[in-house]
Amino acid sequence: ETGVTQSPTHLIKTRGQQVTLRCSSQSGHNTVSWYQQALGQGPQFIFQYYREEENGRGNFPPRFSGLQFPNYSSELNVNALELDDSALYLCASGFDRAHGYTFGSGTRLTVV
Amino acid sequence: RKEVEQDPGPFNVPEGATVAFNCTYSNSASQSFFWYRQDCRKEPKLLMSVYSSGNEDGRFTAQLNRASQYISLLIRDSKLSDSATYLCVFGGYNKLIFGAGTRLAVHP
Repeated sequence: ETGVTQSPTHLIKTRGQQVTLRCSSQSGHNTVSWYQQALGQGPQFIFQYYREEENGRGNFPPRFSGLQFPNYSSELNVNALELDDSALYLCASGFDRAHGYTFGSGTRLTVV
Repeated sequence: RKEVEQDPGPFNVPEGATVAFNCTYSNSASQSFFWYRQDCRKEPKLLMSVYSSGNEDGRFTAQLNRASQYISLLIRDSKLSDSATYLCVFGGYNKLIFGAGTRLAVHP
């Protein structure tokens, strides 16, 4: 059973809307990162937070933003949704990249 | 050039077969290497880390060749339950870099 939980599991939004996805990291993990996985592709890195500070970002526009809270849970916010934002959004937590990360089961976002 | 190149497959093999996947990476500064397994519509799960000396976990063997910048995964005595997508993953600065995955289908 994964220690990383994400909500909601599924979501349907209309183009132009805003969405917030949530993640509770595994106990003791102070790093959380977010990935976008389109159908048939590997996960793509969006950004990472360490102790509430963003410390890495992938090639995603500023309308993708995030937060990490003192309890190390996290949010991913996406503004002005586009059809191409339809994907599985994965949250991962861990101590560091040397040991790999544990993924949550993801939020499947559909933009119509 | 893509950061990670991985044969998408699918690899269709009978039970009991041995199958090998390779994956190349372009960033020579990569320090950590992994294989993840992803079942259909599920999250990726860490299968094993990959070390320079090579490492084995039961039927699974992973190898790293830094000079040629590739990693490999060997699965012996394939089981039906091995059917999944296998993702090669590299630890970049503050992130993991995933390949697109190789699909494996094991049939009776």
